[in-house]
Order: sequence, then C-alpha cells, then structure tokens
Amino acid sequence: DTGVSQDPRHKITKRGQNVTFRCDPISEHNRLYWYRQTLGQGPEFLTYFQNEAQLEKSRLLSDRFSAERPKGSFSTLEIQRTEQGDSAMYLCASSPGVGETQYFGPGTRLLVL
Amino acid sequence: KNQVEQSPQSLIILEGKNCTLQCNYTVSPFSNLRWYKQDTGRGPVSLTIMTFSENTKSNGRYTATLDADTKQSSLHITASQLSDSASYICVVWRDEKLTFGTGTRLTIIP
Repeated sequence: DTGVSQDPRHKITKRGQNVTFRCDPISEHNRLYWYRQTLGQGPEFLTYFQNEAQLEKSRLLSDRFSAERPKGSFSTLEIQRTEQGDSAMYLCASSPGVGETQYFGPGTRLLVL
Repeated sequence: KNQVEQSPQSLIILEGKNCTLQCNYTVSPFSNLRWYKQDTGRGPVSLTIMTFSENTKSNGRYTATLDADTKQSSLHITASQLSDSASYICVVWRDEKLTFGTGTRLTIIP
C-alpha cells in the first residue's frame, strides 16, 4: 500500500496525558498537512510542511500542540496535557507540490476521557 | 461564519436515482475548488478539482459545476449506487491551504 498511513488509528487517553501521532506520507510528496475533524464538521487546517520546514500553523494549534517532520519524510503531531476538547479525528495529507491534490490518510481518532 | 457552506446537511435517496449537492462559498479569490468524498471513519478522497475559470468537471458519474459570479458550486451524482453513501465535502484552496465545508451526508437506500 503506497498511500498515506497514520498510526495509531485509535487512541484513548486520560485528560492531562501526552499523546503522539505519526503520519507517513506518500513517498516523494514534499508537502505534508495536518487537519483536525470533529464529529459532523469538515476538517480544519492545523499546519503544513514543505519538506522539513513547517511553513504555517493555524491559530487552532495551541502551545500544547507541536508538529515535526525532521527528515522531510514522516511527521509527528504531539499533544501535551490533553484536554477533553482535543477529542477529534486527526487527519494527515500529503501532496506532490503546491496546489496539487492532497491525499489523505485514514486518520487517528483521539478520545480524551 | 463558515466560509464554505453546504446544503442539504443530509440527503437520503433510492439507489439508481440522481442527486445534486450544493456549495456556497465566500472565500475569494481562490485557486481552485474541490469536491471530496469521505467514507465514515476514513480520510477524504478527491473527486474533482476546478479552477475558478472552469465551469464544469466530470469524473465518471460525478459532475461538478462552478459559478464564480454567484460563488456557488454543485456536485451532481447520476445513477446512484449503494457505495455512494458517504459525506461529500466542498473544499476551497487558497493561500496554500484548504477550507472545508461541513459536508453533506448522503445515504443511498436499496
């Protein structure tokens, strides 16, 4: 399977714990995006990378959130001191370049108790 | 206020029938407008991409239209199949990122 993969697919955690999600984009896609989707809503942009450089962060991305793409390939999204409001589906997408189709992964569904 | 609004919020139709989903947007200018299909618990999958100068784009049984004057787009599905049951999301691309609508939940019944 050469599509975008995300790990884990599901995560249940207690409020206050830290969680980290991983995204493996399609090989050679230099753009990688993170989105958050709550139930019944469309995805909301969080941040994106051009290779290893993080070019933009949404104001939705509070100080508790950090994303990295250290080698320009896979990316991680960490949430520190999770809150119940962080419960959502976290989607990763990659694209070959600017304005091109974004291919989404299956998402990581987070539930904070 | 969401910059991309879709209607109806949900729709149920019989297998084999046609349907049209609507999208109104305020994002302007934009580079392109896209329709995505999202199955429950899965990531969205791109159906069509249109630049603001294009009026229509087809992909099999899916036909998208765009009216840049009225800032409206539609997605027409012909001869619906059970596998068309999903959420359909209108998305506007601008400034390096996508703005998503809330989607239309389509259910096809046999």
